[in-house]
Amino acid sequence: SYELTQPLSVSVALGQTARITCGGNNIGNKHVHWYQQKPGQAPVLVIYSDSNRPSGIPERFSGSNSGNTATLTISRAQAGDEADYYCQVWDSSDVVFGGGTKLTVL
Amino acid sequence: QVQLVESGGGVVQPGGSLRLSCAPSGFTFSSFGIHWVRQAPGKGLEWVAFIWYDGNNKYYADSVKGRFTISRDNSKNTLYLQMNSLRPEDTAVYYCAKDRAAAGTSVDYWGQGTLVTVSS
Repeated sequence: SYELTQPLSVSVALGQTARITCGGNNIGNKHVHWYQQKPGQAPVLVIYSDSNRPSGIPERFSGSNSGNTATLTISRAQAGDEADYYCQVWDSSDVVFGGGTKLTVL
Repeated sequence: QVQLVESGGGVVQPGGSLRLSCAPSGFTFSSFGIHWVRQAPGKGLEWVAFIWYDGNNKYYADSVKGRFTISRDNSKNTLYLQMNSLRPEDTAVYYCAKDRAAAGTSVDYWGQGTLVTVSS
């Protein structure tokens, strides 16, 4: 079965740029989606189809996908960005989530 | 606005059954695929099942295949998850989640979840 690998944690200084990676075999050939989940809340879609932002998501959130790695980039990180982030793809008829990355804003 | 409200969670003994329901509103239910996604306490997201907009195609995670059944009644605007032969490892918050498309892409709206606890 297809696997997505995310770092367990990423730290970023307030106002700096955070990059969260999602690794998978030839993931560049798939559409990658990213979700943000804050404690006690349901997830929120922040990037779909590699690099598209849903309405209401700040421009500070962007995504890219190539080769074996997809990346979620959060520019000018704010305290409110502190959360768990999950990548997701479809593989054949299965939905696959990455294990999640805890973003800490210092 | 779009809302999804899950119900039917609770405590059940191992080997038991439970049926979850999801009541959507704020969008044309019959036009979109819907997922069930679960999250065990302190763990990450785990996809459970997906059903096409018309109910004609259903997909399941290997961990629930043969035990869980996803279904929908578009005339009643309701989604279901029938869970049989429950195991302690099925303990989780179960989310009903709307797909952005009819046949599966990404989730654009999530419910608040319903807790299922499998314990003797």
